[in-house]
Amino acid sequence: DSGVTQTPKHLITATGQRVTLRCSPRSGDLSVYWYQQSLDQGLQFLIQYYNGEERAKGNILERFSAQQFPDLHSELNLSSLELGDSALYFCASSVAQGSGYGYTFGSGTRLTVV
Amino acid sequence: EDQVTQSPEALRLQEGESSSLNCSYTVSGLRGLFWYRQDPGKGPEFLFTLYSAGEEKEKERLKATLTKKESFLHITAPKPEDSATYLCAVQAWGRGSTLGRLYFGRGTQLTVWP
Repeated sequence: DSGVTQTPKHLITATGQRVTLRCSPRSGDLSVYWYQQSLDQGLQFLIQYYNGEERAKGNILERFSAQQFPDLHSELNLSSLELGDSALYFCASSVAQGSGYGYTFGSGTRLTVV
Repeated sequence: EDQVTQSPEALRLQEGESSSLNCSYTVSGLRGLFWYRQDPGKGPEFLFTLYSAGEEKEKERLKATLTKKESFLHITAPKPEDSATYLCAVQAWGRGSTLGRLYFGRGTQLTVWP
């Protein structure tokens, strides 16, 4: 157990629908990062939050949004889902923004859009 | 643009046959280079962070080294349980949207057969 908790582990939904992925960072970690991993793209950075504030955005689609709550858990919202959104979504946490230390990843949520 | 290239894409080794995985990177200013191990359907598991050229780190049968343009992950006398995908990622110095995020390579899929 890495200490980063992601739920649900699996999600199957239809095109056009909206889903929410949840991440609880390791105790004491203030930064949360979301990554998408698909077969043809590898691990791609989506967005980062630090202590409740958005700090960095990567190749995140406008249909996707995220937030970090006061208890530091984070949610990634995916809407108007398309077949191409099927992927593994990982959350990672670190003790500080850009700390340079090893980022700890959760076990991921496998999203399948049918 | 910051880039990470890993080679080979796939590597098959017989148990006990040592080899090296390569990670070449182009980054404006390297803050850290990370190696992760990923098993199928699981989240990346942190192995090493390297910060400066000439640095080396070891863990069991794995040894990571860093030069100004590339990193190597040496695997000595591998065992079947070392079979996994090995990911390299870099973190660059910067501000705003670049600080904190990792740029991942596509990984090397290692298979060790008995």
